[in-house]
Amino acid sequence: GDSVTQMEGPVTLSEEAFLTINCTYTATGYPSLFWYVQYPGEGLQLLLKATKADDKGSNKGFEATYRKETTSFHLEKGSVQVSDSAVYFCALSESYGGATNKLIFGTGTLLAVQP
Amino acid sequence: NAGVTQTPKFRVLKTGQSMTLLCAQDMNHEYMYWYRQDPGMGLRLIHYSVGEGTTAKGEVPDGYNVSRLKKQNFLLGLESAAPSQTSVYFCASSYRLAGGRETQYFGPGTRLLVL
Repeated sequence: GDSVTQMEGPVTLSEEAFLTINCTYTATGYPSLFWYVQYPGEGLQLLLKATKADDKGSNKGFEATYRKETTSFHLEKGSVQVSDSAVYFCALSESYGGATNKLIFGTGTLLAVQP
Repeated sequence: NAGVTQTPKFRVLKTGQSMTLLCAQDMNHEYMYWYRQDPGMGLRLIHYSVGEGTTAKGEVPDGYNVSRLKKQNFLLGLESAAPSQTSVYFCASSYRLAGGRETQYFGPGTRLLVL
């Protein structure tokens, strides 16, 4: 079945460092790809998404490009801040039951940014 | 506009007790979902609903029941709680879009401990 693999954490960076969190996927069709972020004690929030190959999703300085040839959707940010400390989940959307789409999540990557 | 809300925020149960988790959304979304989040496993889909009066099983439905009597509410029930159901439960909702492009909006979660 479809699956998502993302790099294990925790990832610890200093403020203003460059961030990359790797995400690769396996899928039989053409899924949409998502990055969700979970701040401490909160639910998941959509960070960005891409719905077809070569699309770039971006939000709040984060970017990810849907690479079909490498089946990847790596998350990047040029300069992280302490407020970016959170758990980041990569996910893909697949058709489920014919009537809806379900999200398949990676295991999450904890990012800790130190001042 | 409160988005997706969940009650309660935290609950402790003894093995064999029952309880109901309530999810409410005020965005007029057709689709609603219940997930559980366990360490190292990401989020897994328990049950979902594509509209008022409909429910369907997800990836890990055993031990849970759901109901969607009103469009804005999605209830998750545990008839006889087991320690294996200790988890954080997230509700989500979304519009219906073709091709898996819809964004799911998550509630803040309910932390359940079964002793």
